[in-house]
Amino acid sequence: AQKVTQAQTEISVVEKEDVTLDCVYETRDTTYYLFWYKQPPSGELVFLIRRNSFDEQNEISGRYSWNFQKSTSSFNFTITASQVVDSAVYFCALISGGYNKLIFGAGTRLAVHP
Amino acid sequence: EAGVAQSPRYKIIEKRQSVAFWCNPISGHATLYWYQQILGQGPKLLIQFQNNGVVDDSQLPKDRFSAERLKGVDSTLKIQPAKLEDSAVYLCASSLGPGLADNEQFFGPGTRLTVL
Repeated sequence: AQKVTQAQTEISVVEKEDVTLDCVYETRDTTYYLFWYKQPPSGELVFLIRRNSFDEQNEISGRYSWNFQKSTSSFNFTITASQVVDSAVYFCALISGGYNKLIFGAGTRLAVHP
Repeated sequence: EAGVAQSPRYKIIEKRQSVAFWCNPISGHATLYWYQQILGQGPKLLIQFQNNGVVDDSQLPKDRFSAERLKGVDSTLKIQPAKLEDSAVYLCASSLGPGLADNEQFFGPGTRLTVL
């Protein structure tokens, strides 16, 4: 069975701190995709990144970086120098097997305080 | 390029009433998804369409939920009769196709349903 676990329910940081959001996934498929989405208070899910199972290179996009480790089935997300606008719920998700069904974790609520 | 459109944005009904949600996907996107997001949880797929055919409805409570995508573009999700536990945000998403290469899904703003 496929599953995504985000153990951190809520994280609170002060602006300019670095913060890492953890994501652990389970799948028996060898081909799969991992995603991160941001859900601000407005409610819309905003796509951040997609990574396939054959590409373990870490990725950096501005203040965002992602660390994919197949050995530990983890796909962690780090925000460097956090800002108040980063406050949102962040979801890690998995597509594995057929039909592109996104399987979401429970989400991590990040609060960045001035 | 216009994003995924949904309406209404908010709906309040009493239990046992019926309700319908509408979704217009991104132009050219063949695959359409409806997700249910209960407060404090991640979204859960209810149904997936490829053009106007159903690909996956394994988690759709078919005794009360129905969905259609008659012309392969817009879609409607209906609940009849609604229960208290149906209170949630209903998210519509679309992607170019069903294949893994086209699996980036774009989400609409959602419809927040409250059942009293």
